[in-house]
Amino acid sequence: ETGVTQSPTHLIKTRGQQVTLRCSSQSGHNTVSWYQQALGQGPQFIFQYYREEENGRGNFPPRFSGLQFPNYSSELNVNALELDDSALYLCASSMYPDTQYFGPGTRLTVL
Amino acid sequence: GENVEQHPSTLSVQEGDSAVIKCTYSDSASNYFPWYKQELGKRPQLIIDIRSNVGEKKDQRIAVTLNKTAKHFSLHITETQPEDSAVYFCAVEGYALNFGKGTSLLVTP
Repeated sequence: ETGVTQSPTHLIKTRGQQVTLRCSSQSGHNTVSWYQQALGQGPQFIFQYYREEENGRGNFPPRFSGLQFPNYSSELNVNALELDDSALYLCASSMYPDTQYFGPGTRLTVL
Repeated sequence: GENVEQHPSTLSVQEGDSAVIKCTYSDSASNYFPWYKQELGKRPQLIIDIRSNVGEKKDQRIAVTLNKTAKHFSLHITETQPEDSAVYFCAVEGYALNFGKGTSLLVTP
């Protein structure tokens, strides 16, 4: 198992609500990347944070935003939730630009 | 962005047989190619990776080969076991990982 942790494990929200997901990176890692994995699909890159700055972004709208803290943990915020936001949200930590190690994920269900 | 194609989408083999999964990519500047195994309800786990200065890498029953000219790389699993059953994802790294759509491997006893 990696040292990457995520919370919460599961979450149920309704359309229009906002959600915050959290990720603690592995000790010694300075980079956190967030991915969305819909059922039966590969993970899709949302964005990456390196030393508290956004270091790249995938094809996701601005209502997906994030933060990285001085201890390199990170948050993913999603505003105005839509049904299609239902997915497994994975964070991965690394010592940029080396191998990424995934956390267990947060399963988000939007009703 | 990087386009990663993965084939086949499903693969069924008998225990002890070999399994091969192939991925192609579009960006010739890509230089890091990991493979992840994901069991149902669990996180993707790195099983092997290769960088562009190497053509092949082995780790016990698992190997990865890379053809940079043709822009494809493959995962080879020999002597498959039922516990190898899972979804396997290839990925290509630009500044982030671009994943294939996955291969569901079933190893039957």
